[in-house]
Amino acid sequence: DVVMTQSPLSLPVTLGQPASISCRSSQSLVYSDGNTYLNWFQQRPGQSPRRLIYKVSNRDSGVPDRFSGSGSGTDFTLKISRVEAEDVGVYYCMQGTHWPWTFGQGTKVEIK
Amino acid sequence: QLHLHESGPGLVKPSETLSLTCTVSGGSISSSTYYWGWIRQPPGKGLEWIGSIYYSGSTYYHPSLKSRVTISVDTSTNQFSLKLSSVTAADTAVYYCARHGLVTGTVTTWGPAGWGQGTLVTVSS
Repeated sequence: DVVMTQSPLSLPVTLGQPASISCRSSQSLVYSDGNTYLNWFQQRPGQSPRRLIYKVSNRDSGVPDRFSGSGSGTDFTLKISRVEAEDVGVYYCMQGTHWPWTFGQGTKVEIK
Repeated sequence: QLHLHESGPGLVKPSETLSLTCTVSGGSISSSTYYWGWIRQPPGKGLEWIGSIYYSGSTYYHPSLKSRVTISVDTSTNQFSLKLSSVTAADTAVYYCARHGLVTGTVTTWGPAGWGQGTLVTVSS
């Protein structure tokens, strides 16, 4: 299975400040069609996960533009340009290139 | 608006079979665009994909669970189901159903955009 490794696992952030989460895969996530199926999810406390970003950098409908995704190959990043209180939760990367699809361990974002 | 709702027993005894149903509303389970999946999350832990099914009955199961998992679909009731046999305490988790796309002819996905609220299943005697 492809191992997804996130860092940090805990991220205390000051309101209004930026935050960055790293996700590394144990093998390349580039598929034969040229696309990279790396996705990001947010799970607020007590809620189901919600997809924020698909295929590295595509924001889902309704996701604030302070969220952005980047990266290639095996190294990916989720950035929040200015953290707001509603951004508290756990963030997961997920690869959909290789079956079985796998998630990172999660990064807990909290307000300092 | 798509809505997925998981239902089933919240407590299952060790060695028995866990059975859950996901009822889909606001969309047809017979859509040619989507697959329907089950994902679980042990308490305080991360997410694990269990498997997925297409309306035609085509399935993908996680290799580590394949011997114990059956996912089925009922297009007449717009539901799909999960059965996990010979459960142990390690199968205690919140189980989510979800809808996701799949690159045609592949086992490649851009992840679920729709999730149920999840249901906690505890394995205990």
